[in-house]
Amino acid sequence: DGGITQSPKYLFRKEGQNVTLSCEQNLNHDAMYWYRQDPGQGLRLIYYSQIVNDFQKGDIAEGYSVSREKKESFPLTVTSAQKNPTAFYLCASSMQGITDTQYFGPGTRLTVL
Amino acid sequence: QKEVEQNSGPLSVPEGAIASLNCTYSDRGSQSFFWYRQYSGKSPELIMFIYSNGDKEDGRFTAQLNKASQYVSLLIRDSQPSDSATYLCAVNMGGGNKLTFGTGTQLKVEL
Repeated sequence: DGGITQSPKYLFRKEGQNVTLSCEQNLNHDAMYWYRQDPGQGLRLIYYSQIVNDFQKGDIAEGYSVSREKKESFPLTVTSAQKNPTAFYLCASSMQGITDTQYFGPGTRLTVL
Repeated sequence: QKEVEQNSGPLSVPEGAIASLNCTYSDRGSQSFFWYRQYSGKSPELIMFIYSNGDKEDGRFTAQLNKASQYVSLLIRDSQPSDSATYLCAVNMGGGNKLTFGTGTQLKVEL
């Protein structure tokens, strides 16, 4: 059963803690992405990776870090430097190609207590 | 700043009517255009993509692209209550893999 999985579905963080969100895909897609969505706002790109061991900052990378050690995995760490981390986090993946259609995982809702 | 703009709505249509959702974009060189549907509390799901001027139909959905006027629209025929959701327009600006998303239009289909 092919797709993108994200875990956990809900995550609660105390102020000052780092947390890591998991994203795994078995679609054999080359590129992976992390977005943040706040209520009433569109998706904002945090980081993206087009190939293993390489990634680029998106529009709002400050306070976040990523790694891409395997093609199927692209974990996101929300560090204590991120001042307002409460949001809905979405992972996506795509094949390299003409349309670069992105497919999304189910998302992780992070709440800072 | 490259932008994608959508009317936030809500857009209310009666069941069985045609819903028309519009999106404008700032980068004239944009090549690929996508429509996603997002139910409340869920992740976006792809409805369709278009990259040539004109219309593209898929079931009850039709995407329309006009590159000269820099807009893309989504028509939903025979609207159903299950179509009630937020519709996100996304544009590939400047090549590469990155998409720029609009803030979405909320559609309400009323009985």
